[in-house]
Order: sequence, then C-alpha cells, then structure tokens
Amino acid sequence: QKEVEQDPGPLSVPEGAIVSLNCTYSNSAFQYFMWYRQYSRKGPELLMYTYSSGNKEDGRFTAQVDKSSKYISLFIRDSQPSDSATYLCAMSALSGAGSYQLTFGKGTKLSVIP
Amino acid sequence: KAGVTQTPRYLIKTRGQQVTLSCSPISGHRSVSWYQQTPGQGLQFLFEYFSETQRNKGNFPGRFSGRQFSNSRSEMNVSTLELGDSALYLCASSGEQLNTEAFFGQGTRLTVV
Repeated sequence: QKEVEQDPGPLSVPEGAIVSLNCTYSNSAFQYFMWYRQYSRKGPELLMYTYSSGNKEDGRFTAQVDKSSKYISLFIRDSQPSDSATYLCAMSALSGAGSYQLTFGKGTKLSVIP
Repeated sequence: KAGVTQTPRYLIKTRGQQVTLSCSPISGHRSVSWYQQTPGQGLQFLFEYFSETQRNKGNFPGRFSGRQFSNSRSEMNVSTLELGDSALYLCASSGEQLNTEAFFGQGTRLTVV
C-alpha cells in the first residue's frame, strides 16, 4: 500500500460545477497537508496548506483534513476552464534526519468544460 | 522576487551517458530538493540539500547524486543513463523546512534514447 493514494481520474466537469478531489494516506506521522496545481509543461504551484483537522478556505478553494480517517479533500467552487490542470496532494512528515520530507499523491487530472 | 530557475528545460541524451541539471532557488532560500516525475510513479523524492549538506535522501540508486553550492544553487547528476531515467526532473526551494511551502521550478525534461 502506497503512503498516499489519489485517484488519477481523469475528471471532467462542466463549468460552474463544484469539484471534489481527494487523497487518503496511511502514515500517521504526516503533519502538514498541501494541494498543488500543475499545468501542462509547468512545475507544481502551491495552492493551499493546512496542518490541522477541519476546513481552510481561500477564495473558491476549500481544503479539508480529517486526521482520524486519514483523508484530505480539496473543493473547488464555481469551477472555471482555467482550473483545468492536474491537482496533486502532498503531505510532510519529519524524517529520521530531523527535517521534513514531502510525499505526493500521483495527481488527479481535471478538465472543466465551458 | 525571481522564482526557481532550472536549466536546461529540455535534454536528450543517449543511454550510458551522464547528465547534469542545474537549479537556482529563490533568493534567501537555503533548502533545495529534487524530484523525479513520471506518468507511472508520479513525483518521487530524490534528495534535499540544506546549507551545502545533503539533509535527506530518497530511494534512488547511487547513479543519482547532487550537490549544493555556497550560494544555494544546486546541481544533480545522473550517471550511466538508462531509458527509465526519462522523466521531468523538478527542483523545489524553501526557506528552512519542507513542511509547508515548497516552490517548484518548471523542470527539466530529460529524454534518454
């Protein structure tokens, strides 16, 4: 079982829809939870991060963490064609070396159809 | 503030050759980490450098190595290239720790033929 599982999709939704993207994880040591957006031929771009269970909102984006279920979600409201990209969840934990290490999901490819 | 710069953007190499990729982090950032991204495996951690010292290492063979200079710029080297090394190599920089904000470059697309 991989440490971080993410459905690769692809996911196709009409413009204006609410999008739900999810990841599950198995490592209880993960402390910080992030969502990245990656456009084609670009590097990942940090969207949001959180470290506690609950919701965090930023504009049309809401990140949700449920540590008891080891489940994180990203919701996109009023989705736009410009949201079409691959979304990667990422989590960090302290390594044996005393520094944090990021572990990524494989990413979900989202297409928002006008 | 300039972002993370990776050079070159594209590379084509032959099996058995070696390659060096370069990464200039955001000014003031001392942590540089490297990742390999492939369609099958996603983003996989190679190693992290902080203040010229390797602080963390992923599960890659010894053919993959790196270093960091006093100005925080980093290079990674892959020796004896294999077809399976074809991937997008991404560099990320952060201030002190990779706990929250890691900023990525656009990557170097390596093709091994």
